[in-house]
Amino acid sequence: AQSVTQLGSHVSVSEGALVLLRCNYSSSVPPYLFWYVQYPNQGLQLLLKYTSAATLVKGINGFEAEFKKSETSFHLTKPSAHMSDAAEYFCAVSERNTPLVFGKGTRLSVIA
Amino acid sequence: EPEVTQTPSHQVTQMGQEVILRCVPISNHLYFYWYRQILGQKVEFLVSFYNNEISEKSEIFDDQFSVERPDGSNFTLKIRSTKLEDSAMYFCASSDAQYGETQYFGPGTRLLVL
Repeated sequence: AQSVTQLGSHVSVSEGALVLLRCNYSSSVPPYLFWYVQYPNQGLQLLLKYTSAATLVKGINGFEAEFKKSETSFHLTKPSAHMSDAAEYFCAVSERNTPLVFGKGTRLSVIA
Repeated sequence: EPEVTQTPSHQVTQMGQEVILRCVPISNHLYFYWYRQILGQKVEFLVSFYNNEISEKSEIFDDQFSVERPDGSNFTLKIRSTKLEDSAMYFCASSDAQYGETQYFGPGTRLLVL
């Protein structure tokens, strides 16, 4: 069965600094991988997804993630954090015919 | 931009009472899902629904739970006799293809069972 581990329940960065949110997955077959963001009092919004095309995936709001099969990782990055990036970020995995399996989430704080 | 909506945003109920959580998926989507997130824990899959029947359900989705698409727009989750441990945020999602494709989530209903 697939699983997701997000390292760090809370990450704090300074405005303008690099954002790196870590996600490792476990899957017995080539996975589909997703990053969702949740702003306060809102639903889960898709940031980006990997579905076996290019390993470097670009998403909305300047985020990108790189699929590394050898490391079973799908870390999320953004070169320069903005105050509006403060939110909860969820990594999720699914296989062709299985539901999404989520990580526990990482809360990103951005310090002015 | 089309979005998934959920009502109510918050619900407080007494243990043993029935609750119905409502969702309006994106209109041209065919696959519907319920997930829940207990405070401090992972978002967990409950059930998927396609063509007016359950296509998959998790171990969490026991006989106390049921889903229904009563008309062409609503998708409901009913908990027949709530327990304290049902307190959670419940998310509805929809997609135009099963899995692998983007699931669009609603804002959630926060259920508190007292």
